[in-house]
Amino acid sequence: GENVEQHPSTLSVQEGDSAVIKCTYSDSASNYFPWYKQELGKRPQLIIDIRSNVGEKKDQRIAVTLNKTAKHFSLHITETQPEDSAVYFCAATDQGAQKLVFGQGTRLTINP
Amino acid sequence: DAGITQSPRHKVTETGTPVTLRCHQTENHRYMYWYRQDPGHGLRLIHYSYGVKDTDKGEVSDGYSVSRSKTEDFLLTLESATSSQTSVYFCATTLGRGEAFFGQGTRLTVV
Repeated sequence: GENVEQHPSTLSVQEGDSAVIKCTYSDSASNYFPWYKQELGKRPQLIIDIRSNVGEKKDQRIAVTLNKTAKHFSLHITETQPEDSAVYFCAATDQGAQKLVFGQGTRLTINP
Repeated sequence: DAGITQSPRHKVTETGTPVTLRCHQTENHRYMYWYRQDPGHGLRLIHYSYGVKDTDKGEVSDGYSVSRSKTEDFLLTLESATSSQTSVYFCATTLGRGEAFFGQGTRLTVV
């Protein structure tokens, strides 16, 4: 079955700097890769996603890149702000079984 | 937020007792999932459902069973609770074409 590995587990950056979180997946059949943000005490919420027919997607300060050959995908946050502090999860699934598997999470801290 | 409700929100139970957590959705989503969230482990899939009476195991299914007798309800049962099942449990649903929506979570403590 699918296995998603996420790194780093914790990340601390200065406000205004960029943050990058990386994930790898094992199942070549996976073709949908979402990223979720979970604030303290709250439920995870989707922030951006990418499908396997696209190499990159951007939404304001957030971007995601996908390398299907290497089975890597990454989240990039630019011009970080204090409200970006949260736990971020990557995930992978295939459109058939829809077995949504998550990475271990990254706790991002933005230092003022 | 999508109409996904988990009950109970908090529960303390004793080792060896059965426990059932309920996930109710009003979105008519086909797919439903149960995850547990523990520090250092992220969201681990317990079981998921791809339709009424259609379920499959996730990566940490031992000690858990599920049932889905109608589209809107997905039940997670701990047959005989153990301390290792102390966790926060999240239900999620999707239409199958994209975004998953999560419930508020259930904090379960097994003493």
